[in-house]
Amino acid sequence: DAGITQSPRHKVTETGTPVTLRCHQTENHRYMYWYRQDPGHGLRLIHYSYGVKDTDKGEVSDGYSVSRSKTEDFLLTLESATSSQTSVYFCAISDDRGYEQYFGPGTRLTVT
Amino acid sequence: DAKTTQPNSMESNEEEPVHLPCNHSTISGTDYIHWYRQLPSQGPEYVIHGLTSNVNNRMASLAIAEDRKSSTLILHRATLRDAAVYYCIRRGGSSNTGKLIFGQGTTLQVKP
Repeated sequence: DAGITQSPRHKVTETGTPVTLRCHQTENHRYMYWYRQDPGHGLRLIHYSYGVKDTDKGEVSDGYSVSRSKTEDFLLTLESATSSQTSVYFCAISDDRGYEQYFGPGTRLTVT
Repeated sequence: DAKTTQPNSMESNEEEPVHLPCNHSTISGTDYIHWYRQLPSQGPEYVIHGLTSNVNNRMASLAIAEDRKSSTLILHRATLRDAAVYYCIRRGGSSNTGKLIFGQGTTLQVKP
């Protein structure tokens, strides 16, 4: 299994509070991704990174920011959480070819 | 729109072959076809990918139509552990970003 972990695995927070989710990899892959999964929508890409300090938006990036200061860590921040951001968040990694993405175990976030 | 069309659900008996269809009638010449699956309460898992030729790996086979407008994922002998949601995804081959656009997928049930 690819070495990819997510923390925390579960979090409950209140509307308006900031939240940061962490993705950590031990594979030294250049590409890292954040997705969210909601019933009826499947997985949707939020942001991705193609190197340290190199990031770009995905299809549902509003309300989210990301940072990547080290190859192994990719952080997803909700500056002011809203109930619509209640979801399961998956991190994924891939090498430069991008043929295979390896997904983490997910973080279940509930915003009350 | 880079999405594909798959049946919502399929059933199979254990130890029988399963053919999961996918329609991608607007595919371009450089788009790859990827298949991922998601077991309950887990992140998606890479299964197989191809461009033009049929592909085989330890998990499955991928049969791509000659006109590339459709493809079929073949599980040669379904087991109970193959019960999952299977996603057929188009990915632009001209980019290394590896951005995947997930649809709703096919929920496969395997009966003992």
